[in-house]
Amino acid sequence: DVVMTQSPLSLPVTLGQPASISCRSSQSLVHSNGHTYLNWFQQRPGQSPRRLIYMVSNRDSGVPDRFSGSGSGTDFTLKISRVEAEDVGVYYCMQSTHWPPYTFGQGTKLEIK
Amino acid sequence: EVQLVESGGGLVQPGGSLRLSCAASGFSFSSFWMHWVRQAPGEGLVWVSHITSDGSSTYYADSVKGRFTISRDNAKNTLYLQMNSLRPDDTAVYYCARDFYTPGDVWGQGTTVTVSS
Repeated sequence: DVVMTQSPLSLPVTLGQPASISCRSSQSLVHSNGHTYLNWFQQRPGQSPRRLIYMVSNRDSGVPDRFSGSGSGTDFTLKISRVEAEDVGVYYCMQSTHWPPYTFGQGTKLEIK
Repeated sequence: EVQLVESGGGLVQPGGSLRLSCAASGFSFSSFWMHWVRQAPGEGLVWVSHITSDGSSTYYADSVKGRFTISRDNAKNTLYLQMNSLRPDDTAVYYCARDFYTPGDVWGQGTTVTVSS
């Protein structure tokens, strides 16, 4: 199984400042079809998860453009250009290249300083 | 509006069974792969099972293989998860999720399963 490792696990950020979350996979996430299936989810307190980014860098509909995804191979990053209060929650990366199983990272808890 | 609504959770004794349902609306249910994902109290997200759009193929996490069965009724726009031989470590919120390019473009609100004597 592919192991997804996120860092940091806790991320205190000042409002208006940038934030960055790293996600590393135990093997390359490049599929034989050439695509890379690395996805990012946000889970606000008390809510269901929401997909923010799919296939490394594609923002889902309605996701603010302050969220961006990048990376390749085994190293990926979610960036928030300017953190807002509504961004508080837990962020998960998830790989859907080598399945089953689909595997999530441990989660990164973003809080406001 | 695209929507997924889970139901069927509850309190069950170890060794018991439950069937979860996920009612889909606002989209062509029969065109999409679907997943179940669970989250134990205070823990992260864990993928449980996946079914293809026509129901012909199913996949499971090792932790539930042989105990859980995913199925769907495309005529009723409903996804199911039959859970047998439940264990305390199956206690979690269970979410259904749609797959568009990759899993999870749409999620339900979740249904809580508690396995305890």
